Amino acid sequence: QVQLQESGPGLVKPSETLSLTCAVSGYSISSGYYWGWIRQPPGKGLEWIGSIYHSGSTYYNPSLKSRVTISVDTSKNQFSLKLSSVTAADTAVYYCARNEYYYDSSGENPFADYWGQGTLVTVSS
Amino acid sequence: SSELTQDPAVSVALGQTVRITCQGDSLRSYYASWYQQKPGQAPVLVIYGKNNRPSGIPDRFSGSSSGNTASLTITGAQAEDEADYYCNSRDSSGNSHWVFGGGTKLTVL
Repeated sequence: QVQLQESGPGLVKPSETLSLTCAVSGYSISSGYYWGWIRQPPGKGLEWIGSIYHSGSTYYNPSLKSRVTISVDTSKNQFSLKLSSVTAADTAVYYCARNEYYYDSSGENPFADYWGQGTLVTVSS
Repeated sequence: SSELTQDPAVSVALGQTVRITCQGDSLRSYYASWYQQKPGQAPVLVIYGKNNRPSGIPDRFSGSSSGNTASLTITGAQAEDEADYYCNSRDSSGNSHWVFGGGTKLTVL
């Protein structure tokens, strides 16, 4: 059974960098799949942040791209998120998830089949 | 703003059928996936692809698509189906970026 677990500081000061790690168990990241980050501000909907392949290739949400870095450490079977210059608007529950794709004549149709439990990050001085 | 549009709230009587919709240009080309989220919990995948259910998801959940609209149908809604539901697909530019709908709060009466 694939399991994901987020970890990192629950409180970050404005203008600083938010750093989170997602530890994966039950599956070796180096075997494949994209791995992604999704966030949810309190009382609001889901927002895709970005995804990374085990080789290191990445896709980022255009609205966050200038501030986001996602990296992977296959030796530790984990991947990480860094979000710079945070403001109160970045306060959210951050989830990590395995990205899968359904393939047919329409092409690649994305979905996230395994999710971490989420971790709340509050941006406040 | 989201490229996928959902009704904020829908209600259904216990045991009846309800359809939750998701509209967006990208849905003319790609399938939506659907997630159920209960308060304080992570989202759970309920439908992906043309109409596929992960293991453990009841068969009362089904998916369909027509034009720019994807639908999640719950046939015989149960009390435990009360939750927020989110659709997800690729963005309308056709690149590998993901988008989520704003979510629909389902109330089972």
